[in-house]
Order: sequence, then C-alpha cells, then structure tokens
Amino acid sequence: KQEVTQIPAALSVPEGENLVLNCSFTDSAIYNLQWFRQDPGKGLTSLLLIQSSQREQTSGRLNASLDKSSGRSTLYIAASQPGDSATYLCAVSGTGANSKLTFGKGITLSVRP
Amino acid sequence: DAGVIQSPRHEVTEMGQEVTLRCKPISGHNSLFWYRQTMMRGLELLIYFNNNVPIDDSGMPEDRFSAKMPNASFSTLKIQPSEPRDSAVYFCASSPLGTRAETQYFGPGTRLLVL
Repeated sequence: KQEVTQIPAALSVPEGENLVLNCSFTDSAIYNLQWFRQDPGKGLTSLLLIQSSQREQTSGRLNASLDKSSGRSTLYIAASQPGDSATYLCAVSGTGANSKLTFGKGITLSVRP
Repeated sequence: DAGVIQSPRHEVTEMGQEVTLRCKPISGHNSLFWYRQTMMRGLELLIYFNNNVPIDDSGMPEDRFSAKMPNASFSTLKIQPSEPRDSAVYFCASSPLGTRAETQYFGPGTRLLVL
C-alpha cells in the first residue's frame, strides 16, 4: 500500500527566503506526482504535475523535482512571499492511468512579512 | 467557468439524521471524485465516477454512505444515518478525461459537523 509522508507538518520562514518542501513515498512504481496548494477553508489547487519519466517541472517561482528511485520529491519556492502561506500537499498515483491518487497530509507554510 | 460547485458549504446536523451533499462538476469534464479530509487521516478518495458510472467505490467507509451521478452535471453523496465520526470536510473534484491520474479540479468543500 502506497504511503506518502510530508515532514515537517508546519514551517515558518521570513519573507524573501528560498525554501524546500519535502515529500517521500514508499512505492516507487508511480505514474505521476502532483503538488497541490490548499488555502484555509478552500479546496485544493493543482500547482505542478510531474510524469514518472520526468525529473522536474517549473512554474514561475515554483520548481518541483522527482527522484522516483529514492521515492522523493521536493517543491522549491524561490523568494517566498506572505501570499505563499498555505498548506502544500503532494500526491502520487500508481502505475496505470486509472490508479487513484494517494495524498500526503501536507505541510502548512507561514511566510512572515 | 465557475469551477466545481458544492453545496451546502457548511452543514451541522444531529446524529442519526440524513445528510446530502451536492456537486456540480466543471462542464465537459468526464470524471468526478468525492474525497473526505480529516486531521487524522488526511485526504481520502471515497468514490470515482467516469461518464456518470461509478468505477471505484472501495473508499466508501460503509453502507451508510452512498453516491449517485444521475447526469453529467450533478452528483450527490448521502450519509444515512449520520454519526459524529463522519464530521469532516468533503470535497468534490472533476477532471477532463477518464483517468484518475491527471490534474483534478477541486471544489471549495462542504464542512460537515455531526453532533
């Protein structure tokens, strides 16, 4: 059974800092990995999707990397801003396009002005 | 597009009552998902529909839970009878194609409290 772990559960950084959020998964046979953002009281918004054959994806100040063999992914946020404060969840899907997503519990990020 | 629409946004009910949650997916999306989020268990998939047909309901916790999708623009998740342990945020999500592995678009959620 796939398990997804995100440690630490919470992180507080000063504005402007570059930061890395970690995600690990137990079964390396994945189809893809996604990073989501969840604001308080809101639903999830997809940030980046990395296919199993890819090493990284970039969108603006966000860069997500994937090391499938070691069961790890990182989300890099450059020049953090208070507006980046949210909970970030990673999710993996098993092999095969119809496999369900398994989510981590998320990392709650607070960026202090 | 208005995105995925869920109603009600908040629901408070007493144990034993029937609860019905509603979802309108993004127009043109073929897949619809119901999730439950709690602090203890995180986000869990309850059921997945493709072209209005339930494909995988292995995440539905027990017979008290049922879900329907009578047409491409509407789905319901019903809990009868409700119990305090059902208190959670319930999310509906949709995706354009027929697979679970692509990007999903989430609604704002329904916050359910069962007293």
